[in-house]
Amino acid sequence: GDSVTQMEGPVTLSEEAFLTINCTYTATGYPSLFWYVQYPGEGLQLLLKATKADDKGSNKGFEATYRKETTSFHLEKGSVQVSDSAVYFCALTAGSGNTGKLIFGQGTTLQVKP
Amino acid sequence: NAGVMQNPRHLVRRRGQEARLRCSPMKGHSHVYWYRQLPEEGLKFMVYLQKENIIDESGMPKERFSAEFPKEGPSILRIQQVVRGDSAAYFCASSPGTSGDNEQFFGPGTRLTVL
Repeated sequence: GDSVTQMEGPVTLSEEAFLTINCTYTATGYPSLFWYVQYPGEGLQLLLKATKADDKGSNKGFEATYRKETTSFHLEKGSVQVSDSAVYFCALTAGSGNTGKLIFGQGTTLQVKP
Repeated sequence: NAGVMQNPRHLVRRRGQEARLRCSPMKGHSHVYWYRQLPEEGLKFMVYLQKENIIDESGMPKERFSAEFPKEGPSILRIQQVVRGDSAAYFCASSPGTSGDNEQFFGPGTRLTVL
């Protein structure tokens, strides 16, 4: 079945460091891909998305490119801030015939130190 | 426009009791999804509902769990005879549609603790 695999955390960085969180997926059809962020004690917020191959999603300095050839959707940010500390989830919705349900990776905790 | 509302935010139950979790979708959204997040894990899909209909319940445990989304009022996730393994955060999300372009908006979650 469809699945998402993320790099294990926690990822600990100093402020202004470069961030990469790897995400790869397995899916039939043509999934849409998402990154969600969860701050402590809160629900998930959509960070960015891409709906077809080679699309780049971007928001708040974060970027991810939908790579069909490598089935990847890695999250990057050039300069992280302490306020970026959170749990990041990669997710997909299935292609044709899907009901819109999201399939999540296990999440990657990011800790940014001043 | 208020976001997705969930209540209660925290719920404590003893083994064998019933838990009822409520979710009010965003205005204009007729699609509701429930997800469960076990400690230190990602979210797992449970059920997808539209008004008065269960569309996909492939992620629901076969026993003790049920969900509804009546014509009027919030969606309800009901867990009968709770066990310690039901302790988790339960998130509801709503969407205006099901295509890949439609964002799901998440509520703050209900954190269920079973003693």
